[in-house]
Amino acid sequence: AQSVAQPEDQVNVAEGNPLTVKCTYSVSGNPYLFWYVQYPNRGLQFLLKYITGDNLVKGSYGFEAEFNKSQTSFHLKKPSALVSDSALYFCAVRGTNAGKSTFGDGTTLTVKP
Amino acid sequence: GAGVSQSPRYKVAKRGQDVALRCDPISGHVSLFWYQQALGQGPEFLTYFQNEAQLDKSGLPSDRFFAERPEGSVSTLKIQRTQQEDSAVYLCASSLAGEYYGYTFGSGTRLTVV
Repeated sequence: AQSVAQPEDQVNVAEGNPLTVKCTYSVSGNPYLFWYVQYPNRGLQFLLKYITGDNLVKGSYGFEAEFNKSQTSFHLKKPSALVSDSALYFCAVRGTNAGKSTFGDGTTLTVKP
Repeated sequence: GAGVSQSPRYKVAKRGQDVALRCDPISGHVSLFWYQQALGQGPEFLTYFQNEAQLDKSGLPSDRFFAERPEGSVSTLKIQRTQQEDSAVYLCASSLAGEYYGYTFGSGTRLTVV
């Protein structure tokens, strides 16, 4: 079975400060890891993914994520937060030969001016 | 089309009524997924198609739920004899074949059973 944990329901940061949204996972075999973002009244959008290779992956809107195999983590980061980054963020994992992705319960990011 | 299209956007059903939710994926996307999202929670897997073959339906909560994709393109999720606990947002997503592709989601259908 595969699972994802997002330990923080809410993350608050000031505009211009760095942000981190945490995610840990459990899966058999090699993990394929994803971050999605959901803005109010809009569908989920793909942000970035880790498949293999460099542990630091870069995605849309200046976001990046760091894969740590020993800690089974895939934290989302951004060096300088914007108010427009305020949204609901979901981490997801997909195992080798697994059709489905399993999602965490989401973390609400609020960036204050 | 340019994105994944779901219809209707909103559906209010009386308890016991049957409903059908439609998903039109991105052209060329082999894989199609249905998820259920309750308020304040992450999407929960329902079922998965590769072309017209339903490869995994382990997430369907009961035999009242049925999904099909007869020609490997448009998919329909049908819920028979709806109950209040079926109230949720139903999300459809499509992707290219392979575990390493991210999903493109539709805007969802919000089902309210009264």
